[in-house]
Amino acid sequence: EAAVTQSPRNKVTVTGGNVTLSCRQTNSHNYMYWYRQDTGHGLRLIHYSYGAGNLQIGDVPDGYKATRTTQEDFFLLLELASPSQTSLYFCASSDNERLFFGHGTKLSVL
Amino acid sequence: GDSVIQMQGQVTLSENDFLFINCTYSTTGYPTLFWYVQYSGEGPQLLLQVTTANNKGSSRGFEATYDKGTTSFHLQKTSVQEIDSAVYYCAMRESGSFNKLTFGAGTRLAVCP
Repeated sequence: EAAVTQSPRNKVTVTGGNVTLSCRQTNSHNYMYWYRQDTGHGLRLIHYSYGAGNLQIGDVPDGYKATRTTQEDFFLLLELASPSQTSLYFCASSDNERLFFGHGTKLSVL
Repeated sequence: GDSVIQMQGQVTLSENDFLFINCTYSTTGYPTLFWYVQYSGEGPQLLLQVTTANNKGSSRGFEATYDKGTTSFHLQKTSVQEIDSAVYYCAMRESGSFNKLTFGAGTRLAVCP
């Protein structure tokens, strides 16, 4: 079974804080994604990548940066966190067919 | 732009009831359509997918038919059980989109024993 691991599982920061969410996949998949999940909006794509060094802009990218350092690792960066970024964040990887999701990171920005 | 519409935010049923969840999509291309399911405390996982228009996908008693004419991809199950309680997401991948998936808002299904 495909494995996608996110860290941390929970994070609390203050407005203006600097946050990095990490994701590692051991599936040898080319594609990786960052989604945020909010009630009433479902899953919205922030950024995605199809290989190390590649970055594609998703549907809700404002306030977020991302970096794909290796095939396995994909990071989401919030350099000036705001309360509107309080959300549940999911990372996923894909072999161009199905997506495999991690367990999520719950971020609270106070 | 591409969009996926799920109007039903919440559905409550009793065991053995019939389930029908609406999903419509909008795209200019030739999409592959998916249903993902998310159980409490977990990430979403693939339930079923259909690549070709007017074909049907099925898994674990759930069925969905991709209707290109009405741009719909509804999910149905004849007899739901309490273990089916979860959030169900319709999703679309347009061809040539670098494998970008667009999800609907999700439908929370609660099945009462």
